[in-house]
Amino acid sequence: GENVEQHPSTLSVQEGDSAVIKCTYSDSASNYFPWYKQELGKRPQLIIDIRSNVGEKKDQRIAVTLNKTAKHFSLHITETQPEDSAVYFCAASWTGNQFYFGTGTSLTVIP
Amino acid sequence: NAGVTQTPKFQVLKTGQSMTLQCAQDMNHNSMYWYRQDPGMGLRLIYYSASEGTTDKGEVPNGYNVSRLNKREFSLRLESAAPSQTSVYFCASETGGFPYEQYFGPGTRLTVT
Repeated sequence: GENVEQHPSTLSVQEGDSAVIKCTYSDSASNYFPWYKQELGKRPQLIIDIRSNVGEKKDQRIAVTLNKTAKHFSLHITETQPEDSAVYFCAASWTGNQFYFGTGTSLTVIP
Repeated sequence: NAGVTQTPKFQVLKTGQSMTLQCAQDMNHNSMYWYRQDPGMGLRLIYYSASEGTTDKGEVPNGYNVSRLNKREFSLRLESAAPSQTSVYFCASETGGFPYEQYFGPGTRLTVT
């Protein structure tokens, strides 16, 4: 099956700085890559996703890039704010059904 | 719309006891999922159901059974609970087609002593 690795496991940044979280996947058939944000004690929520036919996608301060050849994708958060502090999970899937999640990155934004 | 609901929110079991976790969604989604979340392990898929009447194993199905009762409801059963099943369990649903966004329930925190 698919194997998704996520780095780093923890990340601290100063408010206003950028944060980058990277994931690699093993199955070249995977074609859908979502990112979920989970605040403490809450449920995961989708923040952005990308399909394999797209190299980059942006939504305000959040962007995701995908390199299919190298089998890695990254989440970029610019101008970080304290409310960005949470655990972020990447995932990989082949047209839905089985989703394989990374182990999570705990992001702390220091005011 | 309530979205995805789960019951119970918390549960403590003794080793060997059985229980069923309930999940329901009101978004008319075809696909439903059960995950467990352990510290440092991310979310791991236990079982999923791509449509009413079908279920398939995920990464970690051992010790669990599921029932897709109808389109709305997807239950997870632990027949003989073990301490290794102490975890937070999340149910999720999605449309079954692109954009594949999963909507998660609030979770059930299960402790097996």
